[in-house]
Amino acid sequence: DAKTTQPPSMDCAEGRAANLPCNHSTISGNEYVYWYRQIHSQGPQYIIHGLKNNETNEMASLIITEDRKSSTLILPHATLRDTAVYYCIVSRGGSQGNLIFGKGTKLSVKP
Amino acid sequence: DAGITQSPRYKITETGRQVTLMCHQTWSHSYMFWYRQDLGHGLRLIYYSAAADITDKGEVPDGYVVSRSKTENFPLTLESATRSQTSVYFCASSVEGAPLGGVVTDTQYFGPGTRLTVL
Repeated sequence: DAKTTQPPSMDCAEGRAANLPCNHSTISGNEYVYWYRQIHSQGPQYIIHGLKNNETNEMASLIITEDRKSSTLILPHATLRDTAVYYCIVSRGGSQGNLIFGKGTKLSVKP
Repeated sequence: DAGITQSPRYKITETGRQVTLMCHQTWSHSYMFWYRQDLGHGLRLIYYSAAADITDKGEVPDGYVVSRSKTENFPLTLESATRSQTSVYFCASSVEGAPLGGVVTDTQYFGPGTRLTVL
């Protein structure tokens, strides 16, 4: 069973921020929240991950609620190249940390 | 900076044939993974390996065999291909030992995929 819930699709205007939500109400204390994306026909690409605190890198920001039951991936200035399927995954890491990909959110960035 | 590569990128074979998909990574990552991706199923883990000579089953291992004699290579073999194994196959690798907050993380880096068609 998927451990995360994401909307199947979202649209975003080019240049605007894209906010992708994810629910993970059964997350346990030692599980991370990971975000990957898959652009058509390519291998999945790592974006960002976090445990408790909000995280930011050159690609995106990750906002995790205080109770850790949900999170939001923010692409601050979406471009057409950000059109992809975005996967939110919870994982313990290490040898038990096999990533379980759900169906993700299909983000369409429109001009 | 080759990273992780897969070969062949495209393969057409017939039912009953043996097929081997290759995966090679240049990072010396300890962990390697094989996934398949089908419409309506997302990515599903077939096998993974924690180190050379250590492999374990994932969610859908039936009909597949793996080996890992060297850290950098992780071939996937379909011993007798079936039509249901028509899919896109992705290899991935990760490095254990990148602690964040005292817990090891497992960011995975994926290859470009192999599109396999079994006729």
